[in-house]
Amino acid sequence: QKEVEQNSGPLSVPEGAIASLNCTYSDRGSQSFFWYRQYSGKSPELIMSIYSNGDKEDGRFTAQLNKASQYVSLLIRDSQPSDSATYLCALRHYGNNRLAFGKGNQVVVIP
Amino acid sequence: NAGVTQTPKFQVLKTGQSMTLQCAQDMNHNSMYWYRQDPGMGLRLIYYSASEGTTDKGEVPNGYNVSRLNKREFSLRLESAAPSQTSVYFCASSEVPGSYGYTFGSGTRLTVV
Repeated sequence: QKEVEQNSGPLSVPEGAIASLNCTYSDRGSQSFFWYRQYSGKSPELIMSIYSNGDKEDGRFTAQLNKASQYVSLLIRDSQPSDSATYLCALRHYGNNRLAFGKGNQVVVIP
Repeated sequence: NAGVTQTPKFQVLKTGQSMTLQCAQDMNHNSMYWYRQDPGMGLRLIYYSASEGTTDKGEVPNGYNVSRLNKREFSLRLESAAPSQTSVYFCASSEVPGSYGYTFGSGTRLTVV
């Protein structure tokens, strides 16, 4: 199993709907989790970080972490065309000096 | 607010040529990283420097060398470019190794012909 898995294919959502993205990880020692947004041809930008179990909300974004089930998710409420991008899940292991990234999920918001 | 600055933005090399990708950050971050991004492969770590004076290999270090010149600057060198090194290269930095996420540079699109 890969360190960080984002298995879903491109996600198409109508404008105003909720986009839901999931990420699973293999190492229970993982302690810090991040979601990055990457527009086509641009660099990744950090949009959410979460460190403890539960939900964390920031504007239209909600990150959810479940360490027992080893998954982290991102919800985008009231999706806008400007949310069309690739979303990368990343995590850091305890005692490690680096982040491991998933391959990303493309989101397309249809007006 | 420059953040992380990478140069050049685009480069075309012939097989066997060498070049150095430059990266500088002005956020007083301790840690710096070089990633490559290929379609379907995600971001793969080439080398990183947890702090000034240290460097470590990542997942895909073969064919690359790095220099942490000072706290601000971290360069990536391709000694003898190969077509397999055609990729988009991103430099990133973080205040604490791996924590609080990374700030990325704008990337270098490298083509080796």
